[in-house]
Amino acid sequence: DIQMTQSPSSVSASVGDRVIITCRASQAIGSWLAWYQQKPGKAPNLLIYAASTLQSGVPSRFSGSGSGTDFTLTISSLQPEDFATYYCQQGNSFPRTFGPGTKVDIK
Amino acid sequence: EVQLEESGGGLVQPGGSLRLSCAATGFIFGNHDMHWVRQPTGKGLEWVSGIGSAGDKYYLDSVKGRFTISRENGSNSLFLRMKSLRAGDTAVYYCARGDPYGLGGFDIWGQGTMVSVSS
Repeated sequence: DIQMTQSPSSVSASVGDRVIITCRASQAIGSWLAWYQQKPGKAPNLLIYAASTLQSGVPSRFSGSGSGTDFTLTISSLQPEDFATYYCQQGNSFPRTFGPGTKVDIK
Repeated sequence: EVQLEESGGGLVQPGGSLRLSCAATGFIFGNHDMHWVRQPTGKGLEWVSGIGSAGDKYYLDSVKGRFTISRENGSNSLFLRMKSLRAGDTAVYYCARGDPYGLGGFDIWGQGTMVSVSS
């Protein structure tokens, strides 16, 4: 199975800050990487697929990059509605696997 | 509107069984892979099972032989039959649509149904 790791596990930030979350796969997955945002009590929401393609309706302050084993999610200017937990997920093979999540909270 | 709605969760004793259902609306159900993803309270996401548009099935190792995924395209429904349930299966179970880009992600999620396994 492909193991996914994320760092940091949590980050405290202020509105307007730039936030970068990294995700690493235990083996190369090409660009088969998705990012999700999840707010408490809600289902996850797809932000980015194919490592860098923004899902329709997602604000342009979100961006993704990387390929192979190392990936990043960047929020260019954090907004109040962005405080949430973010997960990466590999779609290269079964079982699909998620990173442990990164919680972004208010400083 | 594209929507998924799960049902069938509840409290069950260890060793018991449950059948989860997911009703899809607003898209051509038969054209999409469908999946179940679970999340224990306060923890991360774990993919459980998936079924392709052609009926191919995939399972997490820890549920193989205990869980069975199926679909009925005529009624736009996805199912997860769970037996020999364990405390470790306790979680919110989400139904999720495989993304239409064929890239292994999940673009539409239901609101989830809670499964609690306890005596």
